Amino acid sequence: AQSVTQLDSQVPVFEEAPVELRCNYSSSVSVYLFWYVQYPNQGLQLLLKYLSGSTLVKGINGFEAEFNKSQTSFHLRKPSVHISDTAEYFCAVSPNDYKLSFGAGTTVTVRA
Amino acid sequence: EAQVTQNPRYLITVTGKKLTVTCSQNMNHEYMSWYRQDPGLGLRQIYYSMNVEVTDKGDVPEGYKVSRKEKRNFPLILESPSPNQTSLYFCASTKSGQGGEQYFGPGTRLTVT
Repeated sequence: AQSVTQLDSQVPVFEEAPVELRCNYSSSVSVYLFWYVQYPNQGLQLLLKYLSGSTLVKGINGFEAEFNKSQTSFHLRKPSVHISDTAEYFCAVSPNDYKLSFGAGTTVTVRA
Repeated sequence: EAQVTQNPRYLITVTGKKLTVTCSQNMNHEYMSWYRQDPGLGLRQIYYSMNVEVTDKGDVPEGYKVSRKEKRNFPLILESPSPNQTSLYFCASTKSGQGGEQYFGPGTRLTVT
């Protein structure tokens, strides 16, 4: 079984400041790793994914994440946020093509 | 346009009245799943399907049924809804070999009174 812990439930940040969202996971098998974003009153959209290869993964909208196998972490970062980045962010892991386990989510609120 | 559709988008019903939420995808994906989203809990998988006539329980299957008679459709059935099933429901589909990358529908907000 897999479990995902997002270490911050709420992250307030000022516009143009950097942000980091922390995600740790546990699994007895190798997993694929994902970050999804949910804008207010919308569905989920994939930000980025790690399947294999380089541990630094770049996604859409200027986000990137780094996979750290020894620390079982997959933290998400953006060097400069915009008001439009206000959303809820979910970290997720999957051991195969059909079973996905999500963290509880981190709400990012960007203020001017 | 590649998409996952769900209907209805909003539903208010009463305890015990059977309901079905439909889900359809036009990407010919093998895998489909249902999730429920609750505040502070993230998304939890209810059921998934690996192909036509092949379904299995996720993490929170109690009180739900599914069927997969056609590849594109994966309805979620609540035979006797209860207030604790009030939630936001998402259907998703995945192509084989993509490592579990899910394409999500727009969501169905269900209220059971």
